[in-house]
Amino acid sequence: DTGVSQNPRHKITKRGQNVTFRCDPISEHNRLYWYRQTLGQGPEFLTYFQNEAQLEKSRLLSDRFSAERPKGSFSTLEIQRTEQGDSAMYLCASSPRGQGLATYEQYFGPGTRLTVT
Amino acid sequence: SQQGEEDPQALSIQEGENATMNCSYKTSINNLQWYRQNSGRGLVHQILIRSNEREKHSGRLRVTLDTSKKSSSLLITASRAADTASYFCATHGVFGNEKLTFGTGTRLTIIP
Repeated sequence: DTGVSQNPRHKITKRGQNVTFRCDPISEHNRLYWYRQTLGQGPEFLTYFQNEAQLEKSRLLSDRFSAERPKGSFSTLEIQRTEQGDSAMYLCASSPRGQGLATYEQYFGPGTRLTVT
Repeated sequence: SQQGEEDPQALSIQEGENATMNCSYKTSINNLQWYRQNSGRGLVHQILIRSNEREKHSGRLRVTLDTSKKSSSLLITASRAADTASYFCATHGVFGNEKLTFGTGTRLTIIP
């Protein structure tokens, strides 16, 4: 399977704990995006990388959230001191957009569902 | 915050009928895309229309774009039970604004 993969698929944690999610993009894609989706809503942009550079962060990404893409391949999203309001589906997507290609389509992974109790 | 609204929020039709869903947005765009999401899963790209296009077809999908009204519609013809899913429009901003901004989605149910 050469699609976008995310791990874990589900995470249940207690309020105040730290959690980390991983995203493996399609191997030849240099752009990687993180979104958050709450029940009944569309995804909301959090941040994106071109290779290892983090180019944009949403105001939704508070100082408890940090994302990295250290070698321009996989990415991690960490949430520190989780709150119940962090419960959501965290989606990762990749695209070849930054490689001089006029393509705008994004390829999404299955998501990580976070439940904070 | 969400870019705009989609309507209807939910739509139930009989298999074989056509389904139409609408999307409105707020800012200038480079293109508008429609994605499909099965329950609890990731999103799958369906079709893209550029800001200088008015209509696009792909198989049973037809999308229109009216930039003067900042609105788009997606038509699925001859619906099938397998089309049951949530459908989201997403706008891609102009140069320098590279993220997708999603609407609130339409939950489509096809009754066999």
